[in-house]
Amino acid sequence: GQQLNQSPQSMFIQEGEDVSMNCTSSSIFNTWLWYKQDPGEGPVLLIALYKAGELTSNGRLTAQFGITRKDSFLNISASIPSDVGIYFCAGHNAGNMLTFGGGTRLMVKP
Amino acid sequence: DAGITQSPRYKITETGRQVTLMCHQTWSHSYMFWYRQDLGHGLRLIYYSAAADITDKGEVPDGYVVSRSKTENFPLTLESATRSQTSVYFCASSWGPTDTQYFGPGTRLTVL
Repeated sequence: GQQLNQSPQSMFIQEGEDVSMNCTSSSIFNTWLWYKQDPGEGPVLLIALYKAGELTSNGRLTAQFGITRKDSFLNISASIPSDVGIYFCAGHNAGNMLTFGGGTRLMVKP
Repeated sequence: DAGITQSPRYKITETGRQVTLMCHQTWSHSYMFWYRQDLGHGLRLIYYSAAADITDKGEVPDGYVVSRSKTENFPLTLESATRSQTSVYFCASSWGPTDTQYFGPGTRLTVL
C-alpha cells in the first residue's frame, strides 16, 4: 500500500514555541489533509489542501501542499497547552481511499 | 443527537470469541469506513462501504467481516478474535470517497 512518512514521531515543546511537522510520500497525492486527535477521541479535520502550492491557515495553524504533490507540512505558531494531541497527515490519490501518516504526538509544557 | 457514534467504547474479550463493534451515523452519508489505530501505524483502513449493501476491502481486512443493510449502520465483526486484533477501532463517514471524513469516538478492544 501507499506510505505516508510523517515526522517527527513526537515533540515535547515549551508553551509559546512554534511547531513544524511534515509528511512525505513516494506517490503523488491530489489532496492533503491534516487531522488532530485529542486523547480518547477520534481525529478531527484541521485543514484540507486541494492544489499543489496551496497555503492555508486556520487560526494559528498553517499548512501547505507541496509543489511536487508528494509532501505537505503543518506549522503551529505560539503553541498553547490545548494543542496537545496527535496530529495526522492524510492524503487522497485518485481512485484510492484516504491514507494516513503515522502521526506526530505533540506535548506542550506550560 | 446528530453525528457518528460507536459502541461499545471499551470491550475486553478472549481469543476465539466473536465480537461485533457498532457504528451509527445520522447524516445519511453514503460512505462509511472502519479503521484500526495501532502505535506506529497511524490509522489503517479495514473495510469501507460506498452505500447500503456495497462493501469493499481496505488495507488490512483479514479476520474482519462487515455488513451494511442500512445506510446509517456499519457493524464490524471479528469472527474469531485474536490478540493481534487488540487495537482502537474508529468508524468514519463521508458524503463521497474523497470528501471530509468524520470520525466516531473509537472503540478500545482488548483481546486476551
